[in-house]
Amino acid sequence: AIQLTQSPSSLSASVGDRVTIPCRASQGISSALAWYQQKPGKAPKLLIYDASSLASGVPSRFSGSGSGTDFTLAISSLQPEDLATYYCQQFNGFPFTFGPGTKVDVK
Amino acid sequence: EVQLVESGGGLVQPGGSLRLSCAASGFTFSTYWMSWVRQAPGKGLEWVANIKQDGNEKYYVDSVKGRFTISRDNANNSLYLQMDSLRAEDTAVYYCARDSWAGNALDYWGQGTLVTVSS
Repeated sequence: AIQLTQSPSSLSASVGDRVTIPCRASQGISSALAWYQQKPGKAPKLLIYDASSLASGVPSRFSGSGSGTDFTLAISSLQPEDLATYYCQQFNGFPFTFGPGTKVDVK
Repeated sequence: EVQLVESGGGLVQPGGSLRLSCAASGFTFSTYWMSWVRQAPGKGLEWVANIKQDGNEKYYVDSVKGRFTISRDNANNSLYLQMDSLRAEDTAVYYCARDSWAGNALDYWGQGTLVTVSS
């Protein structure tokens, strides 16, 4: 199975900061990667698909980049409502594994 | 409006069975792959299984193969997960999700249903 790693597992940043969250695949997955945001007690919400395409209704401060094994989710200007855990998921091969998540705290 | 509503969760003893349901509305259910994803308490997300539009292709994570069965009823816009031989480690919130047409992603999720496996 393809493994996804996300490091760090948590980070703190101030409102207005640019935040980047990395995701690394154990083998090349082309652009078959999605990013989700999950707030406490809620279902995950799709942010990015195909590594860099913004999902409908998602604020433009979110962006995704990368291909192959290295991917990044960026938040250009962190907002208080961005407090959440962010997960990547690969779709290159079954099972469609998730990364362990990065929790973002707002200082 | 796309809606996915899970039901059927609850408390079950180890070795027992449970059937989860997901009622879909607001889209043409029969034209989408569908998935189940779970999340153990305080843990990350785990993809469990998915099923093709016509039900003829199904894929599972290794930890549930031979114990869980995904199925669907396109006439009733419903997705199911039959869970047998349940173990304590199957305790989780189970989410139903729609596989996106647009690209690689799960674009809509239900609110989840909690399954607790305990004696």
